[in-house]
Amino acid sequence: GESVGLHLPTLSVQEGDNSIINCAYSNSASDYFIWYKQESGKGPQFIIDIRSNMDKRQGQRVTVLLNKTVKHLSLQIAATQPGDSAVYFCAEKMKGGKLIFGQGTELSVKP
Amino acid sequence: GAVVSQHPSRVICKSGTSVKIECRSLDFQATTMFWYRQFPKQSLMLMATSNEGSKATYEQGVEKDKFLINHASLTLSTLTVTSAHPEDSSFYICSARGGPLTDTQYFGPGTRLTVL
Repeated sequence: GESVGLHLPTLSVQEGDNSIINCAYSNSASDYFIWYKQESGKGPQFIIDIRSNMDKRQGQRVTVLLNKTVKHLSLQIAATQPGDSAVYFCAEKMKGGKLIFGQGTELSVKP
Repeated sequence: GAVVSQHPSRVICKSGTSVKIECRSLDFQATTMFWYRQFPKQSLMLMATSNEGSKATYEQGVEKDKFLINHASLTLSTLTVTSAHPEDSSFYICSARGGPLTDTQYFGPGTRLTVL
């Protein structure tokens, strides 16, 4: 079935380094993708989104890259801070507007 | 961004009882709301799509008679877990979409349900 998955379940980085979180999706017809950050015991928090007519989108310290050829999505966090420690999910919009979430990557930032 | 609230944030109940969880969009009208459940160390799993004024659409494998959803207004959707059992213990999260022209979903803070 259709699914969105992540390559790495855990990622540990040093404070100040850049982080890259990857995601693979299977539905080539998907036209909208979102990255969410979830801290322990809380709901997902919107980080950044991108539509399929774009390859790259930048926010504050974050960049999302979309490679439609290989159906790959990535989230780059610049100058990672301890407050960035959380689980990051990519999500793919399906028919009817519902989102299908990837398995998540736990980002741990070492001071 | 838009604010979505949930109530209660945490609930503990006895097996066999029913529990109602509320999801509210505080500063926008949500024509569509979604309900998810999440087990520890796992991803969010969509349970159902709730459209204001119509019946909810449930995902495959989700019992509609067990998880009752009501979306009576543009700012409120409720999820009732009927005859709860320990296996229903989970983190329930709702999200709201601002309208048919909006794809972004904003999530509530979640409700931790523990069934004894």
